[in-house]
Amino acid sequence: EPEVTQTPSHQVTQMGQEVILRCVPISNHLYFYWYRQILGQKVEFLVSFYNNEISEKSEIFDDQFSVERPDGSNFTLKIRSTKLEDSAMYFCATKWSGDTEAFFGQGTRLTVV
Amino acid sequence: GIQVEQSPPDLILQEGANSTLRCNFSDSVNNLQWFHQNPWGQLINLFYIPSGTKQNGRLSATTVATERYSLLYISSSQTTDSGVYFCAVIGLYNFNKFYFGSGTKLNVKP
Repeated sequence: EPEVTQTPSHQVTQMGQEVILRCVPISNHLYFYWYRQILGQKVEFLVSFYNNEISEKSEIFDDQFSVERPDGSNFTLKIRSTKLEDSAMYFCATKWSGDTEAFFGQGTRLTVV
Repeated sequence: GIQVEQSPPDLILQEGANSTLRCNFSDSVNNLQWFHQNPWGQLINLFYIPSGTKQNGRLSATTVATERYSLLYISSSQTTDSGVYFCAVIGLYNFNKFYFGSGTKLNVKP
């Protein structure tokens, strides 16, 4: 089965530091997403990305967050200045078209101390 | 946005028992997926099922899109089935995001 790969699997960072979470999507997929899940809570939408631009973003996705596909393959989520409340599991998801199955990565557990 | 409600929120089963998890959604969808979140937090794809019925081993799912609900059946449950089961939908007119339910937390006891 095709796979979405996320790195790192776990990252611990100091409050105020920048982090970059990476995702390698399935090769022919065109739609990309980031979600997060604070421990014990619901999975929340952060941002969707299509045709090299943001399609939609949530209220959570403020100026501290950014996404890009720097080399046309990897899809990254950057948090500029991490806060304690950014501690969560971050999931990347990709799909080929609007109405096809989405594939989720295994997640990156971010711990801000 | 689309409201997704899952029931029951918690379920305790004895190993070998069968169960049915339900997902109701408030609007028309073109994508519905079921996931199992394992103890390590990973989301495992179970089914992509915007309509109809699918089976995979002891698990099966049915979505009745016209009535806006989906069911996940687990038969002969095993302790490894424990975890949280999420239903997530994408709306008919907005491909930009999944709406997740709050999940059903399943505990299968030996």
